[in-house]
Amino acid sequence: KAGVTQTPRYLIKTRGQQVTLSCSPISGHRSVSWYQQTPGQGLQFLFEYFSETQRNKGNFPGRFSGRQFSNSRSEMNVSTLELGDSALYLCASSLSLGSYNEQFFGPGTRLTVL
Amino acid sequence: DQQVKQNSPSLSVQEGRISILNCDYTNSMFDYFLWYKKYPAEGPTFLISISSIKDKNEDGRFTVFLNKSAKHLSLHIVPSQPGDSAVYFCAARVGGSNYKLTFGKGTLLTVNP
Repeated sequence: KAGVTQTPRYLIKTRGQQVTLSCSPISGHRSVSWYQQTPGQGLQFLFEYFSETQRNKGNFPGRFSGRQFSNSRSEMNVSTLELGDSALYLCASSLSLGSYNEQFFGPGTRLTVL
Repeated sequence: DQQVKQNSPSLSVQEGRISILNCDYTNSMFDYFLWYKKYPAEGPTFLISISSIKDKNEDGRFTVFLNKSAKHLSLHIVPSQPGDSAVYFCAARVGGSNYKLTFGKGTLLTVNP
């Protein structure tokens, strides 16, 4: 069974630009969560999608948004990039909402904002 | 406001000995706790969890202990192996309809041969 895939793996953008990251969950998984990992803040929850609806949201500004498609694939978008948005963005999938002990993470997208 | 704290950024242990990773939390509404392991260039992988109604959960070499009165949990790895060298994250969840996880900043465990 293929794991969670994230594209692209690496991305360099400049301040003010916007970026879209993609996540393909494990086949059959309907829940997708997004996390931001930085050295200073560790892993922080961004949002969780289930059945194309955002079910939970972390404490991030409105510049961070996401969506989920009918095939469970998910995208997250960051608009008006700031230097502090440089981070590893992780996506995780699970069969159902809140199934954290059965949650599988992708390798992440490393975003660098210059 | 760091609701989940891993106060030791790093820990070094000899192979075969016990590794003890600690985690403190402040939110008494947390009802479920998890530990994840993360190797470089990979996403975290789920290791072990514990519900707030228990004080201990064991899975092979890994045991998690929960002390609710102290708002403290720990992960014990016995015996430690070089392949256990990784960053370990503690995470917690508020029960009910809000399922979002709150993570600690992680502890880098190095197991020396």
